[in-house]
Amino acid sequence: NAGVTQTPKFQVLKTGQSMTLQCAQDMNHEYMSWYRQDPGMGLRLIHYSVGAGITDQGEVPNGYNVSRSTTEDFPLRLLSAAPSQTSVYFCASRTTGGASNQPQHFGDGTRLSIL
Amino acid sequence: KQEVTQIPAALSVPEGENLVLNCSFTDSAIYNLQWFRQDPGKGLTSLLLIQSSQREQTSGRLNASLDKSSGRSTLYIAASQPGDSATYLCAVKVGTGGFKTIFGAGTRLFVKA
Repeated sequence: NAGVTQTPKFQVLKTGQSMTLQCAQDMNHEYMSWYRQDPGMGLRLIHYSVGAGITDQGEVPNGYNVSRSTTEDFPLRLLSAAPSQTSVYFCASRTTGGASNQPQHFGDGTRLSIL
Repeated sequence: KQEVTQIPAALSVPEGENLVLNCSFTDSAIYNLQWFRQDPGKGLTSLLLIQSSQREQTSGRLNASLDKSSGRSTLYIAASQPGDSATYLCAVKVGTGGFKTIFGAGTRLFVKA
């Protein structure tokens, strides 16, 4: 019963490096999303996808790219890491069947530090 | 712009006490409101989801209410236990199609044995 799986769990990068955070779900959920969580600010939506081939921006999309080539995977790319991107990143998924009133399922997060 | 506020930011109570966590939002045009639990170093676990047409939801010792007109929700925890210690977050689903979720910053709860 894997649910939402994020890799890696921890990562340290230098400013300017690039990296991809992986997210995979095995529940055949159409909707997937990426959030960042910073102290005292709750979670903020970065990008989301309502199905393969469809992505859209959330509240804080700058500095991040996403793609959705399959239903299962939704990677998040940092093209040129900046210290301001130090955060904990969460991936979530849910079904869109019927209505949008379905609970989201979260991964355990990726803790990213940019030096 | 929708904003979600949770008060207090932190709460410490003795075991066995009943308690209420508060969540307020600025725009009543929501699809639903969801309460989550987050343990240290972990992701979020959904506790209760209240649809915009509903007034409350219950699960075990938890009861969540929703008053859209006043922009408020409460999470009631009965007979608190040390295992309830965690951060509790509320979130509202907004936007066309309900594809965006706005989170509060959370209330960190500590239940003393």
